[in-house]
Amino acid sequence: QKEVEQDPGPLSVPEGAIVSLNCTYSNSAFQYFMWYRQYSRKGPELLMYTYSSGNKEDGRFTAQVDKSSKYISLFIRDSQPSDSATYLCAMSALLLGAQKLVFGQGTRLTINP
Amino acid sequence: IAGITQAPTSQILAAGRRMTLRCTQDMRHNAMYWYRQDLGLGLRLIHYSNTAGTTGKGEVPDGYSVSRANTDDFPLTLASAVPSQTSVYFCASRLDGTYNEQFFGPGTRLTVL
Repeated sequence: QKEVEQDPGPLSVPEGAIVSLNCTYSNSAFQYFMWYRQYSRKGPELLMYTYSSGNKEDGRFTAQVDKSSKYISLFIRDSQPSDSATYLCAMSALLLGAQKLVFGQGTRLTINP
Repeated sequence: IAGITQAPTSQILAAGRRMTLRCTQDMRHNAMYWYRQDLGLGLRLIHYSNTAGTTGKGEVPDGYSVSRANTDDFPLTLASAVPSQTSVYFCASRLDGTYNEQFFGPGTRLTVL
């Protein structure tokens, strides 16, 4: 079983729709939860990160963490064509002073005008 | 330069050849990482370095070696390339601390024939 599971999609929705992206994980040691966005032929860029369970909002994006269920989500409101990208969840834990970062497989998202 | 640079951008390589992928960062980050990204498998850690002079193995280290002679540079070497090493390679760096964002380079697209 992979430590982090993410549905690879692809996911295609119309402009203006609410998008929900999800990941599950198995390692209780994960402390930080991140969402990276990766445009085609580019490196991943950090979109949001959270530390505790609950919601964190940044503009049209909301990250949600449920540690009891080992489940994280990213919601995109009023989706735009410029949101079309691959979204990777990532989780980290500190092991012997070093950061261990594990990524999900990534979900490819297309927003259709 | 700002951030992380990688070279070359892309490369086609004959099997059995030696290849070094270059990575340089100008952010004075302690930690550096090499990942490979394959369709359906997400980002997988190859090697990492927590500080200059030290390196460690990641999830998929076989066939790869790294060195960290100074803070800024972290080259990845394929001693004898094989077709299964065809992938997109990303270098990343992070400022050491409880949590700090990993910054990614633009990637090197490598094809081994």
